[in-house]
Amino acid sequence: GAVVSQHPSRVICKSGTSVKIECRSLDFQATTMFWYRQFPKQSLMLMATSNEGSKATYEQGVEKDKFLINHASLTLSTLTVTSAHPEDSSFYICSARDLTREGYGYTFGSGTRLTVV
Amino acid sequence: KQEVTQIPAALSVPEGENLVLNCSFTDSAIYNLQWFRQDPGKGLTSLLLIQSSQREQTSGRLNASLDKSSGRSTLYIAASQPGDSATYLCAVRGIQGAQKLVFGQGTRLTINP
Repeated sequence: GAVVSQHPSRVICKSGTSVKIECRSLDFQATTMFWYRQFPKQSLMLMATSNEGSKATYEQGVEKDKFLINHASLTLSTLTVTSAHPEDSSFYICSARDLTREGYGYTFGSGTRLTVV
Repeated sequence: KQEVTQIPAALSVPEGENLVLNCSFTDSAIYNLQWFRQDPGKGLTSLLLIQSSQREQTSGRLNASLDKSSGRSTLYIAASQPGDSATYLCAVRGIQGAQKLVFGQGTRLTINP
C-alpha cells in the first residue's frame, strides 16, 4: 500500500518551454504532497508543500512563478516548470503520506529527470 | 532549524561485512526518523521508520536505532551484499507545522564482490 506514481520518468525539453510533472497517490488520498529537487550526488532539497484545494507553500528561495504547483484533487499534484532553462535541469521527486496509516512514513515517487537543452 | 548530518559520506567495504551508517540531527523534537535507500537515477525506497518513542526497528538484515536525546540514529547492515550498494539517506520529520522531512546528505555505499 501507499504507492506514489510519478510521470514522466524522463523528459527533455527545449529552453523556454514548460514542462509538467505529475504525482499521483494510487491507493490513498493525500491532502498534502511534497516536491523535492535533487542535484547530482546531493541530497533532496524541499521545494514546496502542495496542499489540496489551496495554494502551495514554497520554501525560501524557490520561485513560485517558475515552479507552478497545482493540487486539484486528493490524489494528484502537478509541478510545472515554466520557461525552463538549462539550470533547471535536475531530478525532481514528489512524496506523500497516507494519513490513515499513522505508523507509516512518507512514500516517494520514482522521480523525474528533467533535461533542458 | 533542524540539520541532519550523515557520516561517512561514502563507504566501500568487501562483501559479507557488517557495517554501520550514522545519522545525527540537531533538534530532538522529532516525530519520527526514516531511513531510505536510493539507487542511481531512481526515487527513494523506505527501509525503516522509527517513531520518536521507539529505540529500534528491524527488517531482515537491517537494524535501525534511535537515541532521540543525543540526536543520533544508526543503520546497521548485516552480512552486506553487492545488491546493497546504493545511497542511504536518513530523514527526520518534525513535530511542528507541515511536518516536513529534513534529509541528510546521504552515505554512498559500495559493496565489493
